[in-house]
Formats: sequence, structure tokens, C-alpha cells
Amino acid sequence: SQELEQSPQSLIVQEGKNLTINCTSSKTLYGLYWYKQKYGEGLIFLMMLQKGGEEKSHEKITAKLDEKKQQSSLHITASQPSHAGIYLCGADRSARDDKIIFGKGTRLHILP
Amino acid sequence: DAMVIQNPRYQVTQFGKPVTLSCSQTLNHNVMYWYQQKSSQAPKLLFHYYDKDFNNEADTPDNFQSRRPNTSFCFLDIRSPGLGDAAMYLCATSRDITDPYQPQHFGDGTRLSIL
Repeated sequence: SQELEQSPQSLIVQEGKNLTINCTSSKTLYGLYWYKQKYGEGLIFLMMLQKGGEEKSHEKITAKLDEKKQQSSLHITASQPSHAGIYLCGADRSARDDKIIFGKGTRLHILP
Repeated sequence: DAMVIQNPRYQVTQFGKPVTLSCSQTLNHNVMYWYQQKSSQAPKLLFHYYDKDFNNEADTPDNFQSRRPNTSFCFLDIRSPGLGDAAMYLCATSRDITDPYQPQHFGDGTRLSIL
């Protein structure tokens, strides 16, 4: 079965610094999703990537998909306290349906 | 705003006492999912409904059941909760199960505690 590995597991960053979170799949990637989860809450959809080389940005968050490496990265520029939370990547389990398998998440702390 | 709403946010039940968690959506999506998420773990899909068709994941225990009386509502029933069932339960929706490349929309979750 497919597995998604996220690195690092946790990250502590000074406010204003840049950071990158990685998500690597053990199998071919179809749709790749990034979600943010605050502690004790649901998942908030950030971005979806579906084509190799695709890059999307929302405010200060940029995500890229490297289809050949079966990998996606999430980059935050000039981090702010509001960026703190758990970032989860998810991937479509197949090209035929919308079931998503998730990584365990990367816990991001921002130091003021 | 269209959204996915879960009730209650926090639920405490006794060991072995049946409990029902509720999810409603105003997105008019065809698919509704239930996930279980334990601390520091990935959300794990329990089952989903595509319209009225119920689809159980192979490793979902029989103790977990679901009902979808209409498009807007879906319930998760735990018949005899054990201590290992303490977790966050997440409800999600998507437009069409046969169409990948679309995000799922999540509620805020229900955190279930077992005494």
C-alpha cells in the first residue's frame, strides 16, 4: 500500500525565517494535496497539485510537485505566528477515485 | 458560507456505551467520508458514502457503523467503544468519488474520550 513520508516531523522556526516541508510518496503520485491542521481542529485545504513540475502559491506559501521523484515540497516565506500548526500532505490513492492517503504531518512552531 | 459541520466538538462516553457522532454539509457534495485520527498520526479512512452507497475500508472494525439518511447528513455510530477508540473523528466531503484531483473538505472534528 502507498505510504507518504513527511520530513521533518517537527520544525521550530524563528518568526520571519523561511522553511521547507517535504512529502515523499512510496508510489506514483496522482493528485497531491496540502492541508493545515491546528491542534484539536479539522483540516484546512491549502493547495492541490496534479502535474509534474506544477507550482502553486497562496500568500506566502508555495508548493511544488516533482513527479519523477514522487515528492512534493511546501515552502513558507517570511514565516509568521499564524503559520504555526500541523501541515499534512495527502495523495490520491489511485487515478480512478478520490480516496486520499495522508502523511503523519509536520508540526510547525514559530518563535516570536 | 458552505461548510462541513460536526457535532459535538467534544464527546465523552463510557467504555462499552454506544455513541453517535454527527456530520452535516451544505456543499451538496455526493461523497461523505469518516476518518479516525489518533495523536500524531495520519487520518485513517474508516468508510465513505457515495450518494447512498456505503463503502467500508477493509480494516475498519465492525464496531464502527455509519448512516446517511440524506445528502446533507452522515452519522458515525460506535456500538461498543473501547479505550482504543479514543481519537479525533473527522468528517469530510467531496463532489464525486470517481473524479480524483479534487480536494476533500473537512469539518472541525469531534474529539472522543472514553472513560
